[in-house]
Amino acid sequence: NAGVTQTPKFQVLKTGQSMTLQCAQDMNHEYMSWYRQDPGMGLRLIHYSVGAGITDQGEVPNGYNVSRSTTEDFPLRLLSAAPSQTSVYFCASSWGMNTEAFFGQGTRLTVV
Amino acid sequence: GNSVTQMEGPVTLSEEAFLTINCTYTATGYPSLFWYVQYPGEGLQLLLKATKADDKGSNKGFEATYRKETTSFHLEKGSVQVSDSAVYFCALRMNRDDKIIFGKGTRLHILP
Repeated sequence: NAGVTQTPKFQVLKTGQSMTLQCAQDMNHEYMSWYRQDPGMGLRLIHYSVGAGITDQGEVPNGYNVSRSTTEDFPLRLLSAAPSQTSVYFCASSWGMNTEAFFGQGTRLTVV
Repeated sequence: GNSVTQMEGPVTLSEEAFLTINCTYTATGYPSLFWYVQYPGEGLQLLLKATKADDKGSNKGFEATYRKETTSFHLEKGSVQVSDSAVYFCALRMNRDDKIIFGKGTRLHILP
């Protein structure tokens, strides 16, 4: 079982570039979410999904897009990268409400 | 709104010392409570959880008891090891909510 797989592990972007962070899970989890982790800020929710075709905004959604066309995949798109989006990004999935989340290894993104 | 507050770090202890990391929460209702651990360069892993009042979660020598009367879920370990050095996150999830709310994390350093 691979669990939650994120790619890439590291990425450097120039301001204004766009890119997609990939997230895939093989546990048939309905719930998937994206967080960013910044020093002193803990984890902040960007977007989440309760099932294929359903997405919603979290705490800090601006500058990011998501889609959920399959149960397995939940990509995060940066539309026009800004230095403020330099962060470590984590994808997580879970069975449903009231259950623990399983996390990927993270993507360290630097925007210059 | 719902929130989690945990003690600021870093916390530095000597090996075999007793550990307590305080966590309190605010929630309208009865959440499930979690402790996650993040080792350097890795994603978050579930350490333990409790789903109702007076439940005790335990794993790897760590324990935490769900105290509804004090809205707390303090993490304890009787004798820490150097390998316990990591960042610890307290979190809650409501029974009817898709989102997990995290504290800001507490960095723990254990000295040999």
